[in-house]
Amino acid sequence: NAGVMQNPRHLVRRRGQEARLRCSPMKGHSHVYWYRQLPEEGLKFMVYLQKENIIDESGMPKERFSAEFPKEGPSILRIQQVVRGDSAAYFCASSPMQGTTGNTIYFGEGSWLTVV
Amino acid sequence: AQSVTQPDIHITVSEGASLELRCNYSYGATPYLFWYVQSPGQGLQLLLKYFSGDTLVQGIKGFEAEFKRSQSSFNLRKPSVHWSDAAEYFCAVAASGGGADGLTFGKGTHLIIQP
Repeated sequence: NAGVMQNPRHLVRRRGQEARLRCSPMKGHSHVYWYRQLPEEGLKFMVYLQKENIIDESGMPKERFSAEFPKEGPSILRIQQVVRGDSAAYFCASSPMQGTTGNTIYFGEGSWLTVV
Repeated sequence: AQSVTQPDIHITVSEGASLELRCNYSYGATPYLFWYVQSPGQGLQLLLKYFSGDTLVQGIKGFEAEFKRSQSSFNLRKPSVHWSDAAEYFCAVAASGGGADGLTFGKGTHLIIQP
């Protein structure tokens, strides 16, 4: 039973390029969360999605960042025109239902983005 | 909105000694509380969680945590640490109500184990 799968695990981009991070939730999970972990910081909530819907994007930067979770395929976190400050670990989590029952929120192993 | 404070950025403990990592939360209702551990370059592993009931919860790897409502705390303890416990520890809180409630994390405590 595969867990939350994230890829790539490590990604290097030059300033101005685009970064795409993918997340496949656990089987049977229809809710996906993205978190960002800056160096020496805890995880910060970015966005919460269900299939084809963005439920809460209150933690997403207003520009350059977008997320989707299509009917088919993985969830994608897209960062356009990356800057050095985007360098961070991006974690995806999934749950089978609305996240009040936190014991069902499972985290992936993260995608480490380095902007050079 | 909920918040989590982990007052200790770094803690150093000798191998075999006892451990307590502090966590204070701010939330108006009964929260859901969690402790996660993160090894370098790795994802988060859930150690334990509190939803309701017994305020002393047991987790994996010999960890336990006690929910104290009066102190708004959820401190993590282990009676005897092992070198493999060296990692970053995060306390997190989730709202008990409905809505798109992700987890709110503290900034973490870095645990160093001395031989």
